Amino acid sequence: DIQMTQSPSSLSASVGDRVTITCRASQSISNYLNWYQQKPGIAPKLLIYAASSLQSGVPSRFSGSGSGTDFSLTISSLQSEDFATYYCQQSFSTPYTFGQGTKLEI
Amino acid sequence: EVQLVQSGAEVKKPGESLKISCKGSGYSFTSYWIGWVRQMPGKGLEWMGVIYPGDSDTTYSPSFRGQVTISADKSISTAYLQWNSLKASDTALYFCTRRKGGDPVWYFDLWGRGTLVTVSS
Repeated sequence: DIQMTQSPSSLSASVGDRVTITCRASQSISNYLNWYQQKPGIAPKLLIYAASSLQSGVPSRFSGSGSGTDFSLTISSLQSEDFATYYCQQSFSTPYTFGQGTKLEI
Repeated sequence: EVQLVQSGAEVKKPGESLKISCKGSGYSFTSYWIGWVRQMPGKGLEWMGVIYPGDSDTTYSPSFRGQVTISADKSISTAYLQWNSLKASDTALYFCTRRKGGDPVWYFDLWGRGTLVTVSS
């Protein structure tokens, strides 16, 4: 299985901050990397697919980059509704493993 | 409306069997793979497997193969996740999700609300 490692595991920030979350794959996955946002008790929401493609309806303050083994998710100016847990997921090969999550806190 | 509707919460005893469901609507159910994702209490997301309802082709995560059965009934646009003998460690929130994209770019764009399974004696 491909292992996905996110950092940091948790992050404290304020409204208006720019934050970056990173995700590293245990082997090259080209650009087959997705990002999801999850709030407690609610289904995950797709933010970014194929490393840098913004899902329809997702605000443009979210952006993704990277290829190979190193990827990042950036929120350019945090809004109150962005405080949540973020997961990366590789879709290079099954099982489509997730990172352990990054909890973004106020 | 395009949606996945999951069956309701379940409370079971260890050793009991269970089948939970995920019904798709508003799109061609047989044209997209459906995946299952586990979230244990306070933990992250774990990918369990996927099924193609068109022909029931299934792929399991090695971590879940033999522990659960994924199936589908295309005539009623429903996918299932089944246990033959539940354990306390199966207590979790289970999500179904639709795989979209095109080879080789895949992503999960549509999610059910989740089914909470509680296993306790």
